[in-house]
Amino acid sequence: EAQVTQNPRYLITVTGKKLTVTCSQNMNHEYMSWYRQDPGLGLRQIYYSMNVEVTDKGDVPEGYKVSRKEKRNFPLILESPSPNQTSLYFCASSFGGPSYEQYFGPGTRLTVT
Amino acid sequence: AQKVTQAQTEISVVEKEDVTLDCVYETRDTTYYLFWYKQPPSGELVFLIRRNSFDEQNEISGRYSWNFQKSTSSFNFTITASQVVDSAVYFCALTGYGGATNKLIFGTGTLLAVQP
Repeated sequence: EAQVTQNPRYLITVTGKKLTVTCSQNMNHEYMSWYRQDPGLGLRQIYYSMNVEVTDKGDVPEGYKVSRKEKRNFPLILESPSPNQTSLYFCASSFGGPSYEQYFGPGTRLTVT
Repeated sequence: AQKVTQAQTEISVVEKEDVTLDCVYETRDTTYYLFWYKQPPSGELVFLIRRNSFDEQNEISGRYSWNFQKSTSSFNFTITASQVVDSAVYFCALTGYGGATNKLIFGTGTLLAVQP
């Protein structure tokens, strides 16, 4: 089944404790990206990647890191999480770039206390 | 800079009413793409439609229709004879093509509540 998976689905952590949210797709998509969803702010793009080893900042990259060492995986790293990073995070992928239909993962609910 | 505005934060209708969700966009790109996504209460994001800037034909898919007007920079979404299952948050999104960035910009979403 074609899908985007994210893990964990739910995470409660404390300020400053490094964490990684994994994202994996099995569709051989080139474009992958991360979004955060906050009430009243919609979906905001954090980082995106056009292909392996090619990543770029979205609109809200501060406090996040990403890497794209393999085509299928695009982990989101929070080196020192803070409470303002409490949010719902979505990973997405698409065939050729942002101008194609995005396939979204199920979301990761992160709470930083 | 690119921007998507969904001015309607929440809309409440009664089943069988028609409802239009507004989307206004800003871009300097000549070629661009517009999208609508649906997020039902279960939380997943579901693709509804993709439209490029050179195709201004209106699209109809069942009870759903989309009106793209470059003259007003709008890409509105109409649900005819709404149903309770249409209750969701709807997002409009925009990306340029061949430009300097490969970002995808979403609006803030419109929460549609369809009452039985």
